[in-house]
Amino acid sequence: DTGVSQNPRHKITKRGQNVTFRCDPISEHNRLYWYRQTLGQGPEFLTYFQNEAQLEKSRLLSDRFSAERPKGSFSTLEIQRTEQGDSAMYLCASSLYGLGQPEAFFGQGTRLTVV
Amino acid sequence: QKEVEQDPGPLSVPEGAIVSLNCTYSNSAFQYFMWYRQYSRKGPELLMYTYSSGNKEDGRFTAQVDKSSKYISLFIRDSQPSDSATYLCAMTPIPNTGNQFYFGTGTSLTVIP
Repeated sequence: DTGVSQNPRHKITKRGQNVTFRCDPISEHNRLYWYRQTLGQGPEFLTYFQNEAQLEKSRLLSDRFSAERPKGSFSTLEIQRTEQGDSAMYLCASSLYGLGQPEAFFGQGTRLTVV
Repeated sequence: QKEVEQDPGPLSVPEGAIVSLNCTYSNSAFQYFMWYRQYSRKGPELLMYTYSSGNKEDGRFTAQVDKSSKYISLFIRDSQPSDSATYLCAMTPIPNTGNQFYFGTGTSLTVIP
C-alpha cells in the first residue's frame, strides 16, 4: 500500500495524559499536512511541513500541540496534557508541491477520545 | 464569514438520480478546487480536482468551477447506494504561493435503493 498511513487508528486516553500520533506520507511527497476534524465539520488546518521544515501553524495549534518531521519523511503530532476538547479525528495528508499537482491525499486518520 | 461555505444537507435521493453538490467561497485567490468523498469514520478520498474555471468529467462525476461567481459544483449521474457518503469541497491558491487547503463542512448524501 503506497498511500498515506496513520497510526494508531484509534486512541483513548485519560485527560491530562500525553499522546503521540504518527503519519507516513506517500514516499515521493514533499509536503505533509495535519488537520483536525470534529463530527459534522470539515477538516481544519493545523500545520504543514515542506520536507523537514514546518512552514505554517494554525492559531488552533496551542502550545500543547507539537509536530515534527525530523528527516522529511514521517511526521509525529504530540498533544500534551490532553483535554476533552481535543477529542477529534486527526488527519494527515501529503502532496507533491512544485510540479503543479497541489492535490492532497489523506490517510485514514487517528480518532482520539479523551475521557 | 467562513472562507468556504457548503450546505451540510443531509441530502437523500433515490438510486439513479442526478445529484448536485455545491460550495461557495470568498477568496478570489483560490485556483485549485477539489472534491473529496468521506465514508463514516474514514479519511477523505480525493475524487476530482480542477484548475481555474471550467468543467471536468470523470465517469459519473462532473466538476464545475465558476470563478466569476465563486461557485463550484459536483454532479453525480446515475447515483448508486455506494455513493452514500459525505462530500467535501476543498480549495487552495495558486500552487507556488499556496499552502493549506480550505474545506467546506461537507454535505451528507444518502442514495436510497
